[in-house]
Amino acid sequence: GQQLNQSPQSMFIQEGEDVSMNCTSSSIFNTWLWYKQEPGEGPVLLIALYKAGELTSNGRLTAQFGITRKDSFLNISASIPSDVGIYFCAGQLTYGNQFYFGTGTSLTVIP
Amino acid sequence: GAVVSQHPSRVICKSGTSVKIECRSLDFQATTMFWYRQFPKQSLMLMATSNEGSKATYEQGVEKDKFLINHASLTLSTLTVTSAHPEDSSFYICSGGHEAGGTDTQYFGPGTRLTVL
Repeated sequence: GQQLNQSPQSMFIQEGEDVSMNCTSSSIFNTWLWYKQEPGEGPVLLIALYKAGELTSNGRLTAQFGITRKDSFLNISASIPSDVGIYFCAGQLTYGNQFYFGTGTSLTVIP
Repeated sequence: GAVVSQHPSRVICKSGTSVKIECRSLDFQATTMFWYRQFPKQSLMLMATSNEGSKATYEQGVEKDKFLINHASLTLSTLTVTSAHPEDSSFYICSGGHEAGGTDTQYFGPGTRLTVL
């Protein structure tokens, strides 16, 4: 299957700092999704991206669909303790087919 | 966003028994549902794709006779772990495919923690 490389693998930051993470692939995707997962729960959809170059915000979160369609970025501004969790990207090659998931970025926010 | 429920949220069973997990899309119709397995601190591993009214498509290495999937309606898919063994202990998560206006999204259930003794 497709492999999505997500980085960094983990981050330890101070409350109030901004966070950036990205997901790259060797294949061209038509959809990118970003999820957050907390311990013992299912992933929760944060942002969905459907067009190359698209920049979409959800509160303090901003994600971008890379212009090459092979990557996507997620930024979190002014982090707070409740941002703690694992963030996953997911990409879809073609409409109606499965999504492939990145390896996850574990975020720890130090108060 | 769309809501997906899973039941039970947690199950403990004896080795050799079968366990059924239900996945329901509560406020949308999911033509396709997906079943994942997740080990601690790892990403989601797709087990199978479940299409309403047809047989599920299993990923390589996933035994279809071990993990029975039924997608009887547009809002319900079930995963049955047959003759469960301790190595089947894991976090199982389902998702529903939501297609609208030419776009595709997946919404996840809260997961089911299976422990086989």
